[in-house]
Formats: sequence, structure tokens, C-alpha cells
Amino acid sequence: SQTIHQWPATLVQPVGSPLSLECTVEGTSNPNLYWYRQAAGRGLQLLFYSVGIGQISSEVPQNLSASRPQDRQFILSSKKLLLSDSGFYLCAWTVLANYGYTFGSGTRLTVV
Amino acid sequence: TQLLEQSPQFLSIQEGENLTVYCNSSSVFSSLQWYRQEPGEGPVLLVTVVTGGEVKKLKRLTFQFGDARKDSSLHITAAQPGDTGLYLCAGDGSSNTGKLIFGQGTTLQVKP
Repeated sequence: SQTIHQWPATLVQPVGSPLSLECTVEGTSNPNLYWYRQAAGRGLQLLFYSVGIGQISSEVPQNLSASRPQDRQFILSSKKLLLSDSGFYLCAWTVLANYGYTFGSGTRLTVV
Repeated sequence: TQLLEQSPQFLSIQEGENLTVYCNSSSVFSSLQWYRQEPGEGPVLLVTVVTGGEVKKLKRLTFQFGDARKDSSLHITAAQPGDTGLYLCAGDGSSNTGKLIFGQGTTLQVKP
């Protein structure tokens, strides 16, 4: 069966520090992968998506970057965090959009 | 730019009441999905509708896709406290990237 792992669950980082959030998918090949950010109780903002290894598309200009070093691994990074980077980060995968997304359990990032 | 507008944003009702959540757009979507999210967790897919006019039922939840595939509704009959959560609609813009456009969400609180 397919599963998605996302870690860490919570993270408190000082302003200016680096960030690395990791997401891995099991049980499927060549998934489409997505990073979303969610403000409290609100909808999801697409940050990055990837349709294959090394293929990254950015949706909004920001202080973040993403990489896909392996087929089922998706990493969200920052060199220097800003206060505005705080939020709930969600990784998701699908093979076709109308199949629906499977989301990870999310990472609550607080930049202090 | 494709947008999905959800209404209402917040809903607080008593157990046993019925409710409807709306998801509207001026754009056509090839499919539309509904997710439910609990605090601190990732959204979980409830249903996907793909055909204009389609109606799907999931126990006490009824989902409808508009004839023109621009809008959708979620109706809950005899709401229960376990229905409490954030409900998100998401539309597939029909690109091969699998990107979904999410509404801003409806927070539902069902009081016992």
C-alpha cells in the first residue's frame, strides 16, 4: 500500500537559520509531488510541485526552495528563515489529479 | 487565474442539524474534490466528482458537482460532533502537472 512520510512534525527555528523538511512516498513510482503551506484554519497555498526527478516548479516567489533527489523524495529547504516562513507545511502526492491527493501529516514550523 | 470560493467560512451548529457548504468558481474544472482536515493533521480525501451534475453520497454526506462543472456543494444531514473539522474543496485545472486549486476552507463546529 502507498504511504507518505513527512518529518519533523514540529519545528521551532530562529530567524536566519536554515531549514530542511523531508517527505518520502512508499508504494508507488513516479508520483507527482507537492509542497503546500497552510495558514491557520485556511486553505492551502501551493509552493512547489514536481512531476519527476530533478524537475521542480515554483508557484510563488519566496524564501524557500525545493529539490527532488530521488523519485519518491521531496525536500523543502531554506538558507535563512524569515518570521513570515512560519506555518503548517504539507507534502502531498498523486499520480493523476482527479485521483485525489494523499497528504502527509504536516510540519508545524515556528520561526522565532 | 482559477479561484475557488467557499462559503460559509465558519459554521457552528447543533448536533442533528443539516448544513450545506458551497464551492464556487467562474472557471471550469475537469474534476473537483472535497477534503476534511482535523487540527494538526493533513487533509483527507472524501470524494472526487468528475461529471457535470454528478451526485455522490458518503453516509450522511452528499456531494454534488454543478452541471457546468464550475461549482460544487457538500450537504451534511443530521450533523454529529465527529463531523467537526475544516472542509476544503479543490479543483483540478486539467494540466498534466496534477496541480489542485484549493478553496479557503469552511470550518465546521458541531456542538453536542
